[in-house]
Amino acid sequence: RKEVEQDPGPFNVPEGATVAFNCTYSNSASQSFFWYRQDCRKEPKLLMSVYSSGNEDGRFTAQLNRASQYISLLIRDSKLSDSATYLCVGGGSTGNQFYFGTGTSLTVIP
Amino acid sequence: EAQVTQNPRYLITVTGKKLTVTCSQNMNHEYMSWYRQDPGLGLRQIYYSMNVEVTDKGDVPEGYKVSRKEKRNFPLILESPSPNQTSLYFCASTLSGSRQETQYFGPGTRLLVL
Repeated sequence: RKEVEQDPGPFNVPEGATVAFNCTYSNSASQSFFWYRQDCRKEPKLLMSVYSSGNEDGRFTAQLNRASQYISLLIRDSKLSDSATYLCVGGGSTGNQFYFGTGTSLTVIP
Repeated sequence: EAQVTQNPRYLITVTGKKLTVTCSQNMNHEYMSWYRQDPGLGLRQIYYSMNVEVTDKGDVPEGYKVSRKEKRNFPLILESPSPNQTSLYFCASTLSGSRQETQYFGPGTRLLVL
């Protein structure tokens, strides 16, 4: 079983829509979680860290549910520029390894 | 400008011909890492380094070597490349490897092994 799993999509949504991505992790001892954004053929860039209490950055909200072992990303009022692949990342419980999900593709349609 | 650089950006080679992909960061980061990205498999960690002369295997280290003789550089070495190492490779660095820190990625190296 993969350490981190996410629905690959694709998600095609109209501008202004709200879209949510979920990601599950298998290691209950994982300590840190992130969402990265990756544009086509480019390097991943941090979108936001995910904290236990949940956190918000503008139109983006991240949540962590330790009991069910999943993290989520909510994007409100989608913009065309939000079209990208969103990668869920979990930090290992030991050492300093990082585990990436396969990514969820989002296309925002005019 | 703070950045992670990789060279070359694109490389076509033949099976068995040793190659090195360089990675350099100018942020004085202690932690550096190599990933490969393949369709349907996402990014997988190959090796990482907590500091100079300290390296550890990630999930998919077979067929790769690394070295960390200086803080800023973390080259990836393929002693005898094979076609299954055709992939997109990313180098990344983090200040100290703390679990809540951002990883900064290089622009990627596309490798084709014939």
